[in-house]
Amino acid sequence: SQKIEQNSEALNIQEGKTATLTCNYTNYSPAYLQWYRQDPGRGPVFLLLIRENEKEKRKERLKVTFDTTLKQSLFHITASQPADSATYLCALVYNAGNNRKLIWGLGTSLAVNP
Amino acid sequence: NAGVMQNPRHLVRRRGQEARLRCSPMKGHSHVYWYRQLPEEGLKFMVYLQKENIIDESGMPKERFSAEFPKEGPSILRIQQVVRGDSAAYFCASSQSGGTYEQYFGPGTRLTVT
Repeated sequence: SQKIEQNSEALNIQEGKTATLTCNYTNYSPAYLQWYRQDPGRGPVFLLLIRENEKEKRKERLKVTFDTTLKQSLFHITASQPADSATYLCALVYNAGNNRKLIWGLGTSLAVNP
Repeated sequence: NAGVMQNPRHLVRRRGQEARLRCSPMKGHSHVYWYRQLPEEGLKFMVYLQKENIIDESGMPKERFSAEFPKEGPSILRIQQVVRGDSAAYFCASSQSGGTYEQYFGPGTRLTVT
């Protein structure tokens, strides 16, 4: 069956460390993978997009990798800060016949402790 | 450039009443998506619309729910004869035309059915 999975357990790390979140998918022909941040009571905010032919993308303290062989994306936050505490969602844009569709992971909660 | 606007932010309805949720996409965006999110759960896709067209309504319940995105004015998600199980946060997102599906979310409408 087709699915996209993120760590269901919350991730707790110490301020200053690197946070790494995973997003795994099965049985999709990927086009793009996106990462979003969601704070309680708010809508998700787009962070980064990586194409299926890209290995790595960076934006300030954020880094995303995309391994289509492993069917996995890793999302890194370096020098983490308490303000980075939020839920992080991955979303896969995949090819479905002549169309493209989008599927969301359930998100991983990150807590950065001061 | 104003972001995605949703109103009302909070809506309380009694069982059996109708709920109308409005979404104005970002300027220049012609694609609108509606999602439902229950507490402690992920985003559930409901419907994807372009101006005057429903592109994908595979996530929409078959009864009581409808959506439109008219040529002029906001997109409307309409829930008829609401039940307690409809209580949730409803998010609208918009994107420019194209295949990356990078989405910009509104603040959401929190529907409470009493």
